[in-house]
Amino acid sequence: ETGVTQTPRHLVMGMTNKKSLKCEQHLGHNAMYWYKQSAKKPLELMFVYSLEERVENNSVPSRFSPECPNSSHLFLHLHTLQPEDSALYLCASSQGSASSYNEQFFGPGTRLTVL
Amino acid sequence: AQSVTQLGSHVSVSEGALVLLRCNYSSSVPPYLFWYVQYPNQGLQLLLKYTTGATLVKGINGFEAEFKKSETSFHLTKPSAHMSDAAEYFCAVSGRTSGSRLTFGEGTQLTVNP
Repeated sequence: ETGVTQTPRHLVMGMTNKKSLKCEQHLGHNAMYWYKQSAKKPLELMFVYSLEERVENNSVPSRFSPECPNSSHLFLHLHTLQPEDSALYLCASSQGSASSYNEQFFGPGTRLTVL
Repeated sequence: AQSVTQLGSHVSVSEGALVLLRCNYSSSVPPYLFWYVQYPNQGLQLLLKYTTGATLVKGINGFEAEFKKSETSFHLTKPSAHMSDAAEYFCAVSGRTSGSRLTFGEGTQLTVNP
């Protein structure tokens, strides 16, 4: 595997379900990010981890819970989601610190549908 | 606060024609500027970025962009469109201070007609 991988690629869940999204980067990067991409809206930064420490949480509802066990893996745990949470969730990683001038490499995303 | 405006959510060109995707930014200080491309069912890929130095930046796949401070613009161009250029393009801006984050525009969907 190369680059940034995300699993699953598609996920359909009910509002009472609990699921997790997984991201893995094979680039030796130190920073990882979760973004939400909704139709007709700009990408929204959700969480930033640098050296496995969360450095940013952009007022994301508590029904989204991130986890970064090491610099290569990032999870997004989901529970009791709402239909408006349906979106494409993108993971990204970057070299060095979580600074925006470092190029971010994106995974293909997980298309989430909440029924 | 910084913001990005991409003029035109959809742009359609003929194969071989000039591609021009517009991006204007708002920032209190000269920012870092980026263009990303997203092909169907894929994540975003960096096309090019401006951080400092020469204001005309060349990227991958024949794209380039020019930073014009007086116009607060960073328009993306390609002299001759190819069918494979059909994708969504995102302009993004960030501050220069530590901890700055990317702010993305809403994206422009480029269609290339044969």
